[in-house]
Amino acid sequence: NAGVTQTPKFRVLKTGQSMTLLCAQDMNHEYMYWYRQDPGMGLRLIHYSVGEGTTAKGEVPDGYNVSRLKKQNFLLGLESAAPSQTSVYFCASTDVRGGGTGELFFGEGSRLTVL
Amino acid sequence: GESVGLHLPTLSVQEGDNSIINCAYSNSASDYFIWYKQESGKGPQFIIDIRSNMDKRQGQRVTVLLNKTVKHLSLQIAATQPGDSAVYFCAEKRSSGYSTLTFGKGTMLLVSP
Repeated sequence: NAGVTQTPKFRVLKTGQSMTLLCAQDMNHEYMYWYRQDPGMGLRLIHYSVGEGTTAKGEVPDGYNVSRLKKQNFLLGLESAAPSQTSVYFCASTDVRGGGTGELFFGEGSRLTVL
Repeated sequence: GESVGLHLPTLSVQEGDNSIINCAYSNSASDYFIWYKQESGKGPQFIIDIRSNMDKRQGQRVTVLLNKTVKHLSLQIAATQPGDSAVYFCAEKRSSGYSTLTFGKGTMLLVSP
């Protein structure tokens, strides 16, 4: 059971370059999320999706775009990377719809360094 | 290793001791509170949750206590083991809107053999 899979796991970019992080889940979950994690900051929500074809902004959306063309995939894009986007990015999914425990299933993370 | 542990509050215990990790939350309207465990280099993993109309919930070796009067949440781990060493996050789920969680900054638990 793969659960939530993120690719790539590591990436180094130069300022101004673009890239896409891919998240794939095989649990048929409706909701998917992208978080970033920085030292001493906990996890902060970037964007999320409540179903195929839908996306919404989270707490820190600036500088990122997302797409959910297929239910199982959630892509996070950086059009012009900045050093402030150096972070560990986590994708998560859940099958809760506005109620229940809110248990999220997380991927292993993608470490991005922007030079 | 993962640098998420830098600048975090740290709790150091001996193997076999009971551990108590505390968390203050901000929103009185939150309807669920959840604890996650994050081991080095891995994604967070769900431990236990508690609904806002409860004050205590027990799991296997873990107990969560909720004090709504002072907006305080705690996670108690009985007979702490070296495998419990990790960063622990509390999270709150707001009652309105979709299922988004707001995470606390985390506490690092270090268990010595």
